[in-house]
Amino acid sequence: GAGVSQTPSNKVTEKGKYVELRCDPISGHTALYWYRQSLGQGPEFLIYFQGTGAADDSGLPNDRFFAVRPEGSVSTLKIQRTERGDSAVYLCASSLTGNEKLFFGSGTQLSVL
Amino acid sequence: AQSVTQLGSHVSVSEGALVLLRCNYSSSVPPYLFWYVQYPNQGLQLLLKYTSAATLVKGINGFEAEFKKSETSFHLTKPSAHMSDAAEYFCAVTSTGGGNKLTFGTGTQLKVEL
Repeated sequence: GAGVSQTPSNKVTEKGKYVELRCDPISGHTALYWYRQSLGQGPEFLIYFQGTGAADDSGLPNDRFFAVRPEGSVSTLKIQRTERGDSAVYLCASSLTGNEKLFFGSGTQLSVL
Repeated sequence: AQSVTQLGSHVSVSEGALVLLRCNYSSSVPPYLFWYVQYPNQGLQLLLKYTSAATLVKGINGFEAEFKKSETSFHLTKPSAHMSDAAEYFCAVTSTGGGNKLTFGTGTQLKVEL
């Protein structure tokens, strides 16, 4: 595609539920990043994939958060037992390699009620 | 650990006036510094990037930033503001070898008035 695509654009869920957020990176980009942006804050790094493997997952806040990229393109961020504090905009970004210009998607606004 | 501090969560300028958005960094190793812009309902877009090649960095849309090690600053400027510059601006830092694992500031909302 022309840019990084994230679906859904908005997700409303109830506390305790499981959610999946999807990211389609730019075709050919080997590096994929997830960031989280809480209200009034800048984006916060969550996890970085190089190809299919998670090269750095040091930003995942706890074991309720997990992400996969099984074929080295599309990635899914999975959140179990959601909490109200998980409410934020989840941003996905990709780059040709880990050091090239980063392209961001428009994000998924997650609201946990 | 690295961090950036953006002074002023909201800045308002008149159209045609100088834009100055402030960013100070903290880093124990030589930093790479970035400015990103976020327009409403759009993804973050890279404005410019400092990677030690030159202290004055020119970016898109007429913006530039100067790396000042003595002041640990990387302020963003534009000589003449346009209405279309109204957006949120984020300063970010990473280290050599840090790739795109960025630490962002809290952002500055720029308002441009007629």
